[in-house]
Amino acid sequence: ETVMTQSPATLSVSPGERATLSCRASESVSSNLAWYQQKPGQAPRLLIHGAFTRATDIPARFSGSGSETEFTLTISSLQSEDFAVYYCQQYNNWPRTFGQGTKVEIK
Amino acid sequence: EVQLLESGGGLVQPGGSLRLSCAASEFTFSSYGMSWVRQAPGKGLEWVSGIRGSGDSTYYADSVKGRFIISRDNSKNTLYLQMNSLRAEDTAVYYCAKDLWLRSVGGILDYWGQGTLVSVSS
Repeated sequence: ETVMTQSPATLSVSPGERATLSCRASESVSSNLAWYQQKPGQAPRLLIHGAFTRATDIPARFSGSGSETEFTLTISSLQSEDFAVYYCQQYNNWPRTFGQGTKVEIK
Repeated sequence: EVQLLESGGGLVQPGGSLRLSCAASEFTFSSYGMSWVRQAPGKGLEWVSGIRGSGDSTYYADSVKGRFIISRDNSKNTLYLQMNSLRAEDTAVYYCAKDLWLRSVGGILDYWGQGTLVSVSS
């Protein structure tokens, strides 16, 4: 199966600063990569699909980039509501797989 | 607004069975693939299974293949997950989720239910 590896496991950032999260695939997933945000006690929320397309109602401070095996989620200026866990997911190969998550915490 | 409501979770002994349901509303259920995704306590997300809108194709993670069966009843707008031979490691919150695109499956998951907890323990 395609293994998705996210780094770092935890990212400590001050409000207003930029956050850069990485996701690496063990084999090419083309641009079939999505990012989700999950807050405690809540279901995940779709942020990005197709590696860089923002989902409906997602603020422009969230951006995605990359292709094949290397992907990045950037949050340009962290707001208080952005502190959460972020997961990447590939939907190019079966079975679909998620990364282990990156927790973005307040510094 | 799309709504997904899971039910059927609970405590079950190892080796036992459980059937989860996911009632869908406010979209054309039969046109969209659906998936089950689980999350063990304090852990990350794991895609479990997916099914096409027509129900004629199903997909599974290796960890559940041969033990779990995904199905759907489009006349009832309901998704199911039959879980057999349950193990302690199946303990998790189980979410159902809808595909963003028509006729895709297990791809971009744009709506999620709130989840139902399955606990496998003696």
